[in-house]
Amino acid sequence: EPEVTQTPSHQVTQMGQEVILRCVPISNHLYFYWYRQILGQKVEFLVSFYNNEISEKSEIFDDQFSVERPDGSNFTLKIRSTKLEDSAMYFCASKLLALGTQYFGPGTRLTVL
Amino acid sequence: AQTVTQSQPEMSVQEAETVTLSCTYDTSESDYYLFWYKQPPSRQMILVIRQEAYKQQNATENRFSVNFQKAAKSFSLKISDSQLGDAAMYFCAYRLGVSGGGADGLTFGKGTHLIIQP
Repeated sequence: EPEVTQTPSHQVTQMGQEVILRCVPISNHLYFYWYRQILGQKVEFLVSFYNNEISEKSEIFDDQFSVERPDGSNFTLKIRSTKLEDSAMYFCASKLLALGTQYFGPGTRLTVL
Repeated sequence: AQTVTQSQPEMSVQEAETVTLSCTYDTSESDYYLFWYKQPPSRQMILVIRQEAYKQQNATENRFSVNFQKAAKSFSLKISDSQLGDAAMYFCAYRLGVSGGGADGLTFGKGTHLIIQP
């Protein structure tokens, strides 16, 4: 069964550094998402992406964040200058149809020191 | 803004028994979808069940069923014949329907930690 994959599974970085989290959505899916979950808290929506542009973003998704689909398979989340409070689990999700269900990847745990 | 509330931080059930997890939501929309996701210790989010608001019939997936009360804005999850593998965090989630335009990011509740007692 096809699934969303994410790399790396765990990323440790120093405050102020740039990080790129990578996702490979399910191959024929058209809608892509990033969510984050700070430890012990609920999952929060960051951004959705369709047709090579952002379709929706939350208040969390400020100028420090960007997303890109550099080729036909990858979907990336970049954090330009990481802060301690960016430490969280980051989930990628994708879906095929506008009314379809979002399928989540296993997550990347980001630790900012 | 839509909100999702899960009032039970933790629930415990004996193996093979039935447990119900509560979820309420607040929205002024009539076209929306509701979901239950499971998050085991591996932290991967796994879809359990989904309900379209326009459907009156409650969704069912094997041992999992929902009680969708649209007027009360309630969406509870019933797990029958609980198994050890059901132990996980369970998140209720909401998203707008087609009428919401491009806004289809999921809004999650805080989750309920389900413990299965052997």
